[in-house]
Amino acid sequence: DQQVKQNSPSLSVQEGRISILNCDYTNSMFDYFLWYKKYPAEGPTFLISISSIKDKNEDGRFTVFLNKSAKHLSLHIVPSQPGDSAVYFCAAPSSLMNNNAGNMLTFGGGTRLMVKP
Amino acid sequence: KAGVTQTPRYLIKTRGQQVTLSCSPISGHRSVSWYQQTPGQGLQFLFEYFSETQRNKGNFPGRFSGRQFSNSRSEMNVSTLELGDSALYLCASSLARGRSYEQYFGPGTRLTVT
Repeated sequence: DQQVKQNSPSLSVQEGRISILNCDYTNSMFDYFLWYKKYPAEGPTFLISISSIKDKNEDGRFTVFLNKSAKHLSLHIVPSQPGDSAVYFCAAPSSLMNNNAGNMLTFGGGTRLMVKP
Repeated sequence: KAGVTQTPRYLIKTRGQQVTLSCSPISGHRSVSWYQQTPGQGLQFLFEYFSETQRNKGNFPGRFSGRQFSNSRSEMNVSTLELGDSALYLCASSLARGRSYEQYFGPGTRLTVT
């Protein structure tokens, strides 16, 4: 059962335009979400996060929007740059053993973003 | 501050062998988590260690095990390797203070089982 889903495996965008990466989740207990960026041969790098008490969080060119009723979040990159080309993962923390203890991230399948010059 | 380091970076083993991977977390980070990344299954949680104790475990067979030392360094072990264990194994560390969800990943160990 995939609790975090990224339905678009890839996205191609022209440099300077907006990139919108989407993520859906099924577990209503998730109350915090993170976006990671991953280049080939490197580990994922934390990008931006959002708590469920907010519906938007912005950091420079990156903005994450959360729609709790739709169980949907999106990452907007404006303007997109060729260096943004990477795989983007959304993730939610959860714990299998006890209430809110531990660090376990459930990841979506990732979206490969290609920004063309 | 040095990042998360993982050794070795690349490894080739044959079926039936066992392997040990090592992870050194960021200084001051007490929680170490391990993830497996494969093309078909994506990034999947293996287990998490905190203060030398396994605190969470993902849905992997008992052939996958780990441990954490008093200096927070961690190792994971896979016994009786199968072809399907070929993957990128990622280690992540975090402060584990309160509800700190940010995890910092190492570059990974690429394991190939032949």
